[in-house]
Amino acid sequence: GNSVTQMEGPVTLSEEAFLTINCTYTATGYPSLFWYVQYPGEGLQLLLKATKADDKGSNKGFEATYRKETTSFHLEKGSVQVSDSAVYFCALTRLQAGTALIFGKGTTLSVSS
Amino acid sequence: NAGVTQTPKFQVLKTGQSMTLQCAQDMNHEYMSWYRQDPGMGLRLIHYSVGAGITDQGEVPNGYNVSRSTTEDFPLRLLSAAPSQTSVYFCASSNGLAVTDTQYFGPGTRLTVL
Repeated sequence: GNSVTQMEGPVTLSEEAFLTINCTYTATGYPSLFWYVQYPGEGLQLLLKATKADDKGSNKGFEATYRKETTSFHLEKGSVQVSDSAVYFCALTRLQAGTALIFGKGTTLSVSS
Repeated sequence: NAGVTQTPKFQVLKTGQSMTLQCAQDMNHEYMSWYRQDPGMGLRLIHYSVGAGITDQGEVPNGYNVSRSTTEDFPLRLLSAAPSQTSVYFCASSNGLAVTDTQYFGPGTRLTVL
């Protein structure tokens, strides 16, 4: 079945540093790929998504490209801010169960000023 | 437009007690689901529904019951709470049934079973 592996955290960065959070997947068929963000004490919010190979999702300065050849969907941001401190989840759609998602374990990002 | 709402926000139960976690959405979404979030585990699917009157099991359904009598509501019932059910529970809905559709999450219910 489909599965997601993302880099373990925590990731600690200084403000304005470059961010990469690695995410790789195994899948049959043509899943969509997502990054969700969870700020402290809140639910999950969609950060960006890509629905087919070579698509690039982007939002709030974050980007990720759906790479079928390397089965990856790495999250990047050129200059992080303190307000980006959160837990980031990579996810992909299941083949069954409608639009339900399979999540990675999450990566905690902490940005200091 | 409130989106996906969940009640209660926090709950403490004793082993063996039962309770219902409420979830409602006002976006007329057909698809709804329940996940649990445990430290280091990400989110795992408990149950889901593709429309009123239709429900099915996810990857961790044991100990939980669901029903979907209306499009708006999708309650999750704990039949006899166990400490292993201590978790944060998230309800989600989707505006379609295609794999490209986005899931929208509620704020969560933090449940502790003593």
